[in-house]
Amino acid sequence: GENVEQHPSTLSVQEGDSAVIKCTYSDSASNYFPWYKQELGKRPQLIIDIRSNVGEKKDQRIAVTLNKTAKHFSLHITETQPEDSAVYFCAAHLSGGSYIPTFGRGTSLIVHP
Amino acid sequence: DAGITQSPRHKVTETGTPVTLRCHQTENHRYMYWYRQDPGHGLRLIHYSYGVKDTDKGEVSDGYSVSRSKTEDFLLTLESATSSQTSVYFCAISRTAEREGESFGQGTRLTVV
Repeated sequence: GENVEQHPSTLSVQEGDSAVIKCTYSDSASNYFPWYKQELGKRPQLIIDIRSNVGEKKDQRIAVTLNKTAKHFSLHITETQPEDSAVYFCAAHLSGGSYIPTFGRGTSLIVHP
Repeated sequence: DAGITQSPRHKVTETGTPVTLRCHQTENHRYMYWYRQDPGHGLRLIHYSYGVKDTDKGEVSDGYSVSRSKTEDFLLTLESATSSQTSVYFCAISRTAEREGESFGQGTRLTVV
């Protein structure tokens, strides 16, 4: 089955800096890669996703890049703000069919004011 | 947020007792999932359902059973609760018909004493 590795487990940055979280996956058949943000005590919520036919996607201060050859994808957050502090999860799965999603273990991002 | 409601939100139970958690959705989605979330482990799939009376095991299904008698309800039962099942449990549904991404319920914090 699919295996997703996520790094780092903890990331501490100063407000205004950029943050990058990386994930690698094992199954080359995976074609959909969402990212979730989970604030303390809340549910995970999807913030951005990318499909395998796209190399990069941006939404304001967040972006995701995908390298299919190397089987890794990354979340980039620019101009970090204290409200970006949360746990971020990546996932990989084959959209449609019976393939189930596999999550990374999460990255705790701390943005210091 | 998608119409997903979990009940109860918090529960304390004794070792050896059966416990049932309920997930109710108003989105009429086929796919529903039960996850547990523990520090350092991210989100781990317990069971999932792809339709009424159609369920399958995830990676951590031992000690758990599920039932889905209606599209809108997905029940998770701990047959005989153990302290290792103390966790936060999340129900989720697929966000789209193509099963791209998931929407999560608010979570249930279960403590087994």
